[in-house]
Amino acid sequence: RKEVEQDPGPFNVPEGATVAFNCTYSNSASQSFFWYRQDCRKEPKLLMSVYSSGNEDGRFTAQLNRASQYISLLIRDSKLSDSATYLCVVNKGNTGKLIFGQGTTLQVKP
Amino acid sequence: NAGVTQTPKFRILKIGQSMTLQCTQDMNHNYMYWYRQDPGMGLKLIYYSVGAGITDKGEVPNGYNVSRSTTEDFPLRLELAAPSQTSVYFCASIETSGAPYTQYFGPGTRLTVL
Repeated sequence: RKEVEQDPGPFNVPEGATVAFNCTYSNSASQSFFWYRQDCRKEPKLLMSVYSSGNEDGRFTAQLNRASQYISLLIRDSKLSDSATYLCVVNKGNTGKLIFGQGTTLQVKP
Repeated sequence: NAGVTQTPKFRILKIGQSMTLQCTQDMNHNYMYWYRQDPGMGLKLIYYSVGAGITDKGEVPNGYNVSRSTTEDFPLRLELAAPSQTSVYFCASIETSGAPYTQYFGPGTRLTVL
């Protein structure tokens, strides 16, 4: 079983749609969780950290379910510029080592 | 403040050749990392360092070596290039104060081994 698993997609949605990505992780000792965005042939960039109580940043909402070892990212009112690959990232136990999921590709169509 | 810089941006190697991928950060971060990313895949950790003089293996260290003589620099060495090492290589460093484990990435080195 992979340490961090994501549905690779692609997710093809029209502009204005709401889309949700899920991610599961295997290490119950993980303490830090993130969503990164990666544009084609570019380096990953931090989109948002994920907190236990859930958190929102504009059109983006992240949720964490520790009991199920599950993380989600919800994007509302999708824009063309949201087209990218979204990487679920989990720290390995309480170390500085981050484990990346395969990524979920989102394509927003006009 | 340049952040994390990597050189070269692109490189083509022949099988058996050697090269060093350079990585420098000017943010005074102690933690630095090397990842590789194959097409359509996530990032895999090659080596990491928690400070000058300290390095450790990640998930896929075979065929690579690193050193960390200064806080700023973390070069990655390929001794005998193989086609399986064709990939995009990202260097990153971590901010360990404030927001936990926020990684800053360099722009990547695209390596092809023929």
